[in-house]
Amino acid sequence: SAVISQKPSRDICQRGTSLTIQCQVDSQVTMMFWYRQQPGQSLTLIATANQGSEATYESGFVIDKFPISRPNLTFSTLTVSNMSPEDSSIYLCSVQLAGGTDTQYFGPGTRLTVL
Amino acid sequence: QKEVEQDPGPLSVPEGAIVSLNCTYSNSAFQYFMWYRQYSRKGPELLMYTYSSGNKEDGRFTAQVDKSSKYISLFIRDSQPSDSATYLCAMSVGNTGFQKLVFGTGTRLLVSP
Repeated sequence: SAVISQKPSRDICQRGTSLTIQCQVDSQVTMMFWYRQQPGQSLTLIATANQGSEATYESGFVIDKFPISRPNLTFSTLTVSNMSPEDSSIYLCSVQLAGGTDTQYFGPGTRLTVL
Repeated sequence: QKEVEQDPGPLSVPEGAIVSLNCTYSNSAFQYFMWYRQYSRKGPELLMYTYSSGNKEDGRFTAQVDKSSKYISLFIRDSQPSDSATYLCAMSVGNTGFQKLVFGTGTRLLVSP
């Protein structure tokens, strides 16, 4: 498995501002992902963070709203831009280990509230 | 129709009970099945990983897959208050490279002392 940390663990933000969430893994991993978890709903994949290239976004998510960086094999950031109350959610990063199955290991999450 | 259906609960049981958590799915291509446990204000934690049909046991936990019925189960024996959490099923079509995981909504389990 892998040890994954996220910063911040929670934040309360004003409408129209942006928040950058950091994800750090204790070992090099091939795949890193960002999910959103809203109350009563499934985990929804936002995008796959690709090292050294642009992230791959799922349907319904765009780079202008959720820019992602992955400068190396152990670190990624997700920015939630121009926030509205509808962006209030838990944001989770996950990793898939090199040479492993497609099981994913999750970070503790960032609880975001937008006022 | 959602690809993966899971009763949200809550499911309330007394300590020591046998718990059965279930998911149904519609995509017959799913071959890999996972159960995650998520405590309040924590990230999901991988509990069990199974391939195709059959059973897999790990301590008090047993994962069961019935592909003919498109139905998977997680059984918890001798349930403990520490098992109180939300249990999410997840599944994918393959195990090499990146295969998108499809999650259920999660079932909230409450085990009372």
